[in-house]
Amino acid sequence: QSVLTQPPSVSGAPGQRVTISCTGSSSNIGAGYDVHWYQQLPGTAPKLLIYDNSNRPSGVPDRFSGSKSGTSASLAITGLQAEDEADYYCQSYDSSLTASVFGGGTKLTVL
Amino acid sequence: QVQLQESGPGLVKPSQTLSLTCTVSGGSINSGSHYWSWIRQPAGKGLEWIGRIYSSGSTNYNPSLKSRVTISVDTSKNQFSLRLNSVTAADTAVYYCARVGRRIAAPLDYWGQGTLVTVSS
Repeated sequence: QSVLTQPPSVSGAPGQRVTISCTGSSSNIGAGYDVHWYQQLPGTAPKLLIYDNSNRPSGVPDRFSGSKSGTSASLAITGLQAEDEADYYCQSYDSSLTASVFGGGTKLTVL
Repeated sequence: QVQLQESGPGLVKPSQTLSLTCTVSGGSINSGSHYWSWIRQPAGKGLEWIGRIYSSGSTNYNPSLKSRVTISVDTSKNQFSLRLNSVTAADTAVYYCARVGRRIAAPLDYWGQGTLVTVSS
């Protein structure tokens, strides 16, 4: 059971928009800690996709965007492409656990 | 461009100690701007944060693993290491090292490729 809750899977057709939610609590996201998102392509290491809730590292397409509100955060992907098929993880900090925590991950399937 | 590379035995016997090293290139582990972390991922499962270390040797560990984990740093070799003792099959996973910012909820911005460690007799 992950501290941050993500849907196990989402899917969308090429060109569509999908969102992935990350739900936490008052000891992590709700406490104001930043949320980061990672993309993990099959057989590879995770890659930082969004940092500090809504910022994109250099080289990440602007099709990817992040937001945060209250005890939740979201990752949105517009103009879906086949190469976006991957696992996506959110990450934050939990003050009760005094540890960095990850969501359980969401598998994105491009139909 | 910072690069990280994990190394160590791929097979560890139950009850023994898992030892891995992460070698950092393209940047100094002594830069003062970052911590250095270990994360693991069992096959088909999610990511689990193990802990982090600063160049001074200051550490933070996941409470669920704290009693069995030691992370150390060798600035002369630009390396940091993970030791996990009393391993069981549940510790079988891909282990990643990564760079993380100094603030408490900083992102992991550079990752190693990962190394699979299997716990089996």
